[in-house]
Amino acid sequence: EEQVVESGGGLVQPGGSLRLSCAASGFTFSNYWMSWVRQAPGKGLEYVANINQDGSERYYVDSVKGRFTISRDNAKNSLYLQLNSLRAEDTALYYCARGGKIIDFGGQGTLVIVSS
Amino acid sequence: EIVMTQSPATLSVSPGERATLSCRASQSVSSNLAWYQQKPGQAPRLLIYDASTRATGIPARFSGSGSGTEFTLSISSLQSEDFAVYYCQHYNNWPRTFGQGTKVEIK
Repeated sequence: EEQVVESGGGLVQPGGSLRLSCAASGFTFSNYWMSWVRQAPGKGLEYVANINQDGSERYYVDSVKGRFTISRDNAKNSLYLQLNSLRAEDTALYYCARGGKIIDFGGQGTLVIVSS
Repeated sequence: EIVMTQSPATLSVSPGERATLSCRASQSVSSNLAWYQQKPGQAPRLLIYDASTRATGIPARFSGSGSGTEFTLSISSLQSEDFAVYYCQHYNNWPRTFGQGTKVEIK
């Protein structure tokens, strides 16, 4: 079964950092673009970042540029999102998703809460 | 950034009726448009890509149309499992952006 499972979310103070992880299984991870998409509580979806198969291309939405870093380890079938300088507006459920244009499918998400 | 605008915000439909959802792009996205369904507590589920191609396993009652700036998702005969929030998303360039969603609720 093809799936991705996110982890690493939690409660963090403004200005703090977190590293989200996504473990992929059931498909050839290294063949796919991967993405992070987030959803603030009760709000819509926002495409945060994506990365190509070998990590040589990365794109970020303007609101996270310079603060978030997407990366991957194909040997470990894992995707990561390093979140630095966190703000209250970064509070959201973060989904790991297969695909760089279309979201083929995503996980259940990991919740990040930025609050003092 | 391309702004995606969906209408209506909420659509009240009786089971068995047809639902028509609209999505407008602030500039042309060609046919680079996807539709997703999201239920509470779940990740979005891909329904349609390339504006009109059903994703694997999606029932034929779901259909998409349009190109350029105007798009439509139609659900021909609403089933109980179709009541959810629907999002459009373009992938013509970066950043990919979503519409704000249309909630399809039981009338």
